[in-house]
Amino acid sequence: QVQLVQSGAEVKKPGASVKVSCKASGYTFTSYGISWVRQAPGQGLEWMGWISAYNGNTNYAQKLQGRVTMTTDTSTSTAYMELRSLRSDDTAVYYCARDSLGIIDYWGQGTLVTVSS
Amino acid sequence: NFMLTQPHSVSESPGKTVTISCTGSSGSIASNYVQWYQQRPGSAPTTVIYEDNQRPSGVPDRFSGSIDSSSNSASLTISGLKTEDEADYYCQSYDSSNQGVFGGGTKLTVL
Repeated sequence: QVQLVQSGAEVKKPGASVKVSCKASGYTFTSYGISWVRQAPGQGLEWMGWISAYNGNTNYAQKLQGRVTMTTDTSTSTAYMELRSLRSDDTAVYYCARDSLGIIDYWGQGTLVTVSS
Repeated sequence: NFMLTQPHSVSESPGKTVTISCTGSSGSIASNYVQWYQQRPGSAPTTVIYEDNQRPSGVPDRFSGSIDSSSNSASLTISGLKTEDEADYYCQSYDSSNQGVFGGGTKLTVL
């Protein structure tokens, strides 16, 4: 069965960086992309961007351009999302999700990132 | 900027039918597929509708999706409501620059 297992919760100081991992199993990793979505406490879902696991092509949300980098490691079927220059409003649960041509079908369990001094 | 607008909340009784709307701010909502996600409290979202009206395997046929070009909106309809359907529901699509867009979410109360 398809599974996306994310790394554990993180606490970071303002200005620091965080890297969240998402290990995929149960399907051919390079046949799909990975989307990243975040959710601030008590708020709605926010699309962060997408990466093709086939060729590494990316499409980032304009508001995060320059601060976010998405990568994949096909040898371990793992996707990564790094966010730099963290601010308090980056505090959120970060989700990875399997994406097929813009269609999200499976989600990871989420990773809480807390930014606090 | 392209936006998707949903009602903040809806409520209905068990066994009844409820429809949640998702209205596009500009352009044609039919230009890109619309997806719907269910999120129960404390859980990750799950996909209940993709490509406007397709159900993933395991999603009951009580869930259906549609597009109305005349009102530039998408709709999620849940029939035969059950208490387990109580959750937040989000629509999602893409804008003309291929940027993902989520609606603000609708809290469904089944009482």
